[in-house]
Amino acid sequence: KQEVTQIPAALSVPEGENLVLNCSFTDSAIYNLQWFRQDPGKGLTSLLLIQSSQREQTSGRLNASLDKSSGRSTLYIAASQPGDSATYLCAVVPTQGGSEKLVFGKGTKLTVNP
Amino acid sequence: DGGITQSPKYLFRKEGQNVTLSCEQNLNHDAMYWYRQDPGQGLRLIYYSQIVNDFQKGDIAEGYSVSREKKESFPLTVTSAQKNPTAFYLCASSKKGAGGYEQYFGPGTRLTVT
Repeated sequence: KQEVTQIPAALSVPEGENLVLNCSFTDSAIYNLQWFRQDPGKGLTSLLLIQSSQREQTSGRLNASLDKSSGRSTLYIAASQPGDSATYLCAVVPTQGGSEKLVFGKGTKLTVNP
Repeated sequence: DGGITQSPKYLFRKEGQNVTLSCEQNLNHDAMYWYRQDPGQGLRLIYYSQIVNDFQKGDIAEGYSVSREKKESFPLTVTSAQKNPTAFYLCASSKKGAGGYEQYFGPGTRLTVT
């Protein structure tokens, strides 16, 4: 059974710092990996989608990498800002199961201090 | 604007009552999903539908029911059989395919049962 782990559970950094969020998954048989952002009491906003054949994706100050063989992904945030404060969720779509259901980690709560 | 709408944002019910959560999308997506989010836990899949008039149970379907009579709509009913219904409920959609498509989420409905 696929399991997704995110470490650390919480992270606090000063504004302007570059940071890395980690995600690991137990089964490398995945279609893709998706990073989301969730603000308190809100839905999920998709940040980046990496297909299983890709190594990384970039959007603005965000860069996500995928190492499928080792079961790891990282989300790099450059020059962090207070507006980046949110919970970041990682999720994978396993190839087994017959659906495109996402298996989520529990998230990393990021606080960027002014 | 294309997107996913969920209503209501907050819902309060007494124990023993059934309640239906609405989810509508205008993205022309074939697949739709219902997830449940509890504090300290990752999102868990309740039901999903890959095509109209067809749906499948997810990991925690007991006490829930769904219908998919229209492509745009995927309502979720929380029945009195659900033992711990208080949670944040999120609806999502994606193009149908071999697991390679991005999932988009609605703003969520917070259900409180007392």
